[in-house]
Amino acid sequence: NAGVTQTPKFQVLKTGQSMTLQCAQDMNHEYMSWYRQDPGMGLRLIHYSVGAGITDQGEVPNGYNVSRSTTEDFPLRLLSAAPSQTSVYFCASREQGGYIQYFGAGTRLSVL
Amino acid sequence: AQTVTQSQPEMSVQEAETVTLSCTYDTSESDYYLFWYKQPPSRQMILVIRQEAYKQQNATENRFSVNFQKAAKSFSLKISDSQLGDAAMYFCAYTFGGGADGLTFGKGTHLIIQP
Repeated sequence: NAGVTQTPKFQVLKTGQSMTLQCAQDMNHEYMSWYRQDPGMGLRLIHYSVGAGITDQGEVPNGYNVSRSTTEDFPLRLLSAAPSQTSVYFCASREQGGYIQYFGAGTRLSVL
Repeated sequence: AQTVTQSQPEMSVQEAETVTLSCTYDTSESDYYLFWYKQPPSRQMILVIRQEAYKQQNATENRFSVNFQKAAKSFSLKISDSQLGDAAMYFCAYTFGGGADGLTFGKGTHLIIQP
């Protein structure tokens, strides 16, 4: 039982490049979410999903796209990376009816 | 919108002593949950303790306990017998019981353990 798995762990991009941060969970959780963590800040919600085919915006959604085609996967897409998107990104999941979120190990992204 | 405030950017405590980290929150909801997460240098988010708002009894997990004051909207974390492995960032977080969105976090407190 791997829990929440994020790939890659580290990534360096140039401004304007695109990439997808991967998140997968094997706990059959309905709810999944993406957060970013900047220095001196707590985690802030980017997007979340309440089930396959259903997504919604969080506090800081601009510059990011998500989709949820399966229960297990919830990828985060950066279509045109900007230096302001340099951050640590966390994926989390929780079961329907539950309230404890389980976090992945995070992805450190640098945009030059 | 809900907010979570941690007023102590950094705290320092001697090994084996007790330290209390402060957290206040603002919400108009009656059904919600509060959490303390630990983030060591590995950056992994580790759940330390949780509190359901409908429970009057303060949660306890081994050396970790909370002081939950619902009327004052205060949720402090007490760490007893501090150990070197407790050194980390600690984040207070809130979630609305009936909502599908995620956690609202405070900005964190950096805990230093002096040997």
